[in-house]
Amino acid sequence: KQEVTQIPAALSVPEGENLVLNCSFTDSAIYNLQWFRQDPGKGLTSLLLIQSSQREQTSGRLNASLDKSSGRSTLYIAASQPGDSATYLCAVTDPGAGSYQLTFGKGTKLSVIP
Amino acid sequence: DTGVSQDPRHKITKRGQNVTFRCDPISEHNRLYWYRQTLGQGPEFLTYFQNEAQLEKSRLLSDRFSAERPKGSFSTLEIQRTEQGDSAMYLCASSATGGKITPSYEQYFGPGTRLTVT
Repeated sequence: KQEVTQIPAALSVPEGENLVLNCSFTDSAIYNLQWFRQDPGKGLTSLLLIQSSQREQTSGRLNASLDKSSGRSTLYIAASQPGDSATYLCAVTDPGAGSYQLTFGKGTKLSVIP
Repeated sequence: DTGVSQDPRHKITKRGQNVTFRCDPISEHNRLYWYRQTLGQGPEFLTYFQNEAQLEKSRLLSDRFSAERPKGSFSTLEIQRTEQGDSAMYLCASSATGGKITPSYEQYFGPGTRLTVT
């Protein structure tokens, strides 16, 4: 059974710092990996999707990398802003029996201090 | 494209009552997923549809839960005889796997329905 772990569970940084969020998964037979952002009491916003054949994806100040063989992904946020404060969730897509369902970690709660 | 919508956004019900949630996926997305998220946890898969067919159900989906997607458009999730343990955020997501859109399994989520059972 696929398990996804995110470290740290919570992170507090001053505005302007660069930071890295970590995600690990136990089964490397994934189809893709998605990073999401979730604001309190809200749904999930997709940030980046990395196909299993790719090594990284970039969007603005965000860069996500994938090392499928070691079961790891990182989300790098450059020049953090207070508006980046949210919970960041990592999820892997398992082909499974064709469902391509997502298996999520518990998330990293990020606080960016002005 | 207005994104995935869910209704209601919040629902408070008494234990033992039945509740029904609705999800409208992104148009032309043929796959629709339901997930449940409890406080401090990541979402967990409940079930999914490809068009109107329900193809997989998680063991989390007890007999009190039923989901439908008539005509492959919107979907409903019904919980009968609600229990306090059903209190959670119920999330819907949709994705495209082919047809007129470039195939992608990227999932797009709605705002969720927050259920509180008292």
